Amino acid sequence: SQQGEEDPQALSIQEGENATMNCSYKTSINNLQWYRQNSGRGLVHLILIRSNEREKHSGRLRVTLDTSKKSSSLLITASRAADTASYFCATDAEYRITQGGSEKLVFGKGTKLTVNP
Amino acid sequence: NAGVTQTPKFQVLKTGQSMTLQCAQDMNHNSMYWYRQDPGMGLRLIYYSASEGTTDKGEVPNGYNVSRLNKREFSLRLESAAPSQTSVYFCASTTTWGRGANQPQHFGDGTRLSIL
Repeated sequence: SQQGEEDPQALSIQEGENATMNCSYKTSINNLQWYRQNSGRGLVHLILIRSNEREKHSGRLRVTLDTSKKSSSLLITASRAADTASYFCATDAEYRITQGGSEKLVFGKGTKLTVNP
Repeated sequence: NAGVTQTPKFQVLKTGQSMTLQCAQDMNHNSMYWYRQDPGMGLRLIYYSASEGTTDKGEVPNGYNVSRLNKREFSLRLESAAPSQTSVYFCASTTTWGRGANQPQHFGDGTRLSIL
């Protein structure tokens, strides 16, 4: 079952505008990650925010986390055509200790962002 | 620095055929993962390997087997391919830390598999 659910499913904006994507999840988490996927490529990690953090920045990216509402948002400021991609949130729904320890992530279905020149 | 390398990039199979998808990482990561990505479904975990010598089922393991050949390599095998296994398959890897300390996963560019 999906832990994280992104909203909206698709977003189309003009270059220079800001893009906001939201992620809601169901159970308590240790941290939440955001990934980008360009067409035909694998996912690329953007940012990780821990459960005791409320906001984190990386370049033009701003991520917020509200654990009371079980939600996170990803803001891309001054968007560029190169930002066109799908964006996924991922949460650690389950941790299981094996020989070396392992972290499993559960991904949402993604938001498809189109930035028009 | 290649990161995570998957082979082949594309494959077409007939129902009932078998094949193995290969994945190798050069980042000295302990944990490796296989996901499938279907339209409208996001990524779903098939199998993972916490460390060399261990493998565990994920969300959708039926119809698949895996082998952690060594620390670098993690393969996914379809013994008898079915049309429902048509998908894009991604391999990923990550370092492992203590409880609650997720680290970013690094992904390959995927294998696009069609089963007729």
